[in-house]
Amino acid sequence: AQSVTQLGSHVSVSEGALVLLRCNYSSSVPPYLFWYVQYPNQGLQLLLKYTTGATLVKGINGFEAEFKKSETSFHLTKPSAHMSDAAEYFCAVSGGSGGYQKVTFGTGTKLQVIP
Amino acid sequence: KAGVTQTPRYLIKTRGQQVTLSCSPISGHRSVSWYQQTPGQGLQFLFEYFSETQRNKGNFPGRFSGRQFSNSRSEMNVSTLELGDSALYLCASSNYGETNEQFFGPGTRLTVL
Repeated sequence: AQSVTQLGSHVSVSEGALVLLRCNYSSSVPPYLFWYVQYPNQGLQLLLKYTTGATLVKGINGFEAEFKKSETSFHLTKPSAHMSDAAEYFCAVSGGSGGYQKVTFGTGTKLQVIP
Repeated sequence: KAGVTQTPRYLIKTRGQQVTLSCSPISGHRSVSWYQQTPGQGLQFLFEYFSETQRNKGNFPGRFSGRQFSNSRSEMNVSTLELGDSALYLCASSNYGETNEQFFGPGTRLTVL
């Protein structure tokens, strides 16, 4: 069974500081990996995704993530936090066999940006 | 292309009542999934429909049910509402493809009094 672990339900950073949100996954098949962002009272919006090819993936709003197979990780980073980055972030893995891709979400990490 | 739409956006019900929520997927998407989001439990998977068939189901009681129509629109129903059913209900659609990437609607905020 596949799973996603997001370390830290709450992360605080100062404006301008590095943002690092951690995600580890387990999957019995080569996974597809996603990061989503959710602003208050809204749905989830895709930030970036890893399918195949380059392991460093760039997304919207200056975010990027690196797929590290040996570490089963897909951590999300942004060099300099902005106040508008305050939101909840979800990591997700998609994997399966027999033509069915099951999607599993992590428990989310709330990012607070301190001015 | 229009995004995923959910109606209503807000709903207030009392315990014991039932409720039906609606989701219209992105045009061409045949898969619709439902999620419940609460502060305590986070994002929890309810069920997924593909071409009118339930393909996967989460660990929720039978009071939670869903269906999908031939035009891919989906509804979920909760009967005999409990206070703990208060949540943001999110619908996501997918064209399935290789990755089953989920496209989310804005959600329906259900409050049970």
